Amino acid sequence: AQTVTQSQPEMSVQEAETVTLSCTYDTSENNYYLFWYKQPPSRQMILVIRQEAYKQQNATENRFSVNFQKAAKSFSLKISDSQLGDTAMYFCAFRNTDKLIFGTGTRLQVFP
Amino acid sequence: ETGVTQSPTHLIKTRGQQVTLRCSSQSGHNTVSWYQQALGQGPQFIFQYYREEENGRGNFPPRFSGLQFPNYSSELNVNALELDDSALYLCASSLGRQRPAYGYTFGSGTRLTVV
Repeated sequence: AQTVTQSQPEMSVQEAETVTLSCTYDTSENNYYLFWYKQPPSRQMILVIRQEAYKQQNATENRFSVNFQKAAKSFSLKISDSQLGDTAMYFCAFRNTDKLIFGTGTRLQVFP
Repeated sequence: ETGVTQSPTHLIKTRGQQVTLRCSSQSGHNTVSWYQQALGQGPQFIFQYYREEENGRGNFPPRFSGLQFPNYSSELNVNALELDDSALYLCASSLGRQRPAYGYTFGSGTRLTVV
C-alpha cells in the first residue's frame, strides 16, 4: 500500500527566509504524480506545485520548488523568500490512478 | 472559470441521523472525489465518481454513498451517523484519468459535527 510521511508536524520561519518541508512516500509503482497542497484557515486545499515521476527535472513555481529524489522516494518543498501569507498547513500528496494519498501535514508559521 | 463549491459550510447532526452534502465541480471537470479530513489529519479518500458511476473507493463502510449528476455535480450521503464521522468533508474535481498530472481542485469543505 502506498503511504506518505511528513515527519515535521510544525515548522517556523522568519519572513524573507527560506524553509524546507520534508516528505517521503512508499510505492511500488513507477509512474505516479506528487503534489504539495496548502491549506490555510479558510480550509480550501490549494495546489502549490506538482511533479511527474517520469520527469527528472525538479518542478518550480515562483518561490516554490521541490527536491524530487525518486530512488530515495523523497519529495521536499522549498519555500524561498517566505511571506506572512505562506502561513498554513502544507500537505504532501501522492497520486497513481484515481485518488490522492495525503500525509499528515506540516503546520508552517511565518513570523515577521 | 468557477471553482468547486460545497454546501452547506457547517452542519450539526445527531448520532443515528442521515446527512447529505453537496458539491458543484469546477467548470469542465468530469470527475468528482470526496475526502474526509478529521481534525489534525490529512484528508482520507472516500470515493470518486466519473460519468455518474463510482470508479474508486477508499476504506469507508457502505453507509457512505454518493451520486454524480449529468452536470458533474455530486452528493455525499452518510447514513446512521456516528460520532467519529465528525470531520471536514472535502469535495475535489478533476479531469480524471485524462489528465492525472493536472491534480485536483478542492472546495472549502463542509464541517460536519455529530453530537
